[in-house]
Amino acid sequence: DAGVIQSPRHEVTEMGQEVTLRCKPISGHNSLFWYRQTMMRGLELLIYFNNNVPIDDSGMPEDRFSAKMPNASFSTLKIQPSEPRDSAVYFCASSLVLGEYDISGANVLTFGAGSRLTVL
Amino acid sequence: DQQVKQNSPSLSVQEGRISILNCDYTNSMFDYFLWYKKYPAEGPTFLISISSIKDKNEDGRFTVFLNKSAKHLSLHIVPSQPGDSAVYFCAASARGGSQGNLIFGKGTKLSVKP
Repeated sequence: DAGVIQSPRHEVTEMGQEVTLRCKPISGHNSLFWYRQTMMRGLELLIYFNNNVPIDDSGMPEDRFSAKMPNASFSTLKIQPSEPRDSAVYFCASSLVLGEYDISGANVLTFGAGSRLTVL
Repeated sequence: DQQVKQNSPSLSVQEGRISILNCDYTNSMFDYFLWYKKYPAEGPTFLISISSIKDKNEDGRFTVFLNKSAKHLSLHIVPSQPGDSAVYFCAASARGGSQGNLIFGKGTKLSVKP
């Protein structure tokens, strides 16, 4: 398996532009997570999906951020319009969650290499 | 308010000695804890985990200890090697109903000097 694949790896854009980050999770995983890493706040959970359904988007900073998972093999995180404070590394991760009280270690997330976003 | 705290941003250790990374949490609903390691320009990778029904889990050079009453866990690396130099993230989840999401600390940068 190629692991979790994210694109682009690096994105430099100007304030006000739309940014779309893409993620292909590991085949067979049923949960997908978007995290953002900054120096100040560390790794923050933005949103996660279970079986393509958004479960918790309380970490999404504001309405400028949106995420979709149209099928089990693809997700996007969109920022429109982008602002300099959105500059960060955005990670996508996936896992196989077997049930509400799963004790098999399903919380072991596999992360992609990240997308480094710079908004000028 | 941070639910998972790693109060030491960095730690420097001599090769061959023990590295101890600490983590505190505030949410008593957390019942599963993990450590991830991250190298520059890569995503975090899973290292070791522990369930709240245990107080210790060991995997080779890595041991995680959990003190539920103190809401504290630690990662011990013995012996430390230069290749262990990375950022280590502590993470926690309340799996009952959470469906798998993890809350991370800010990380501790470990430097192992030859």
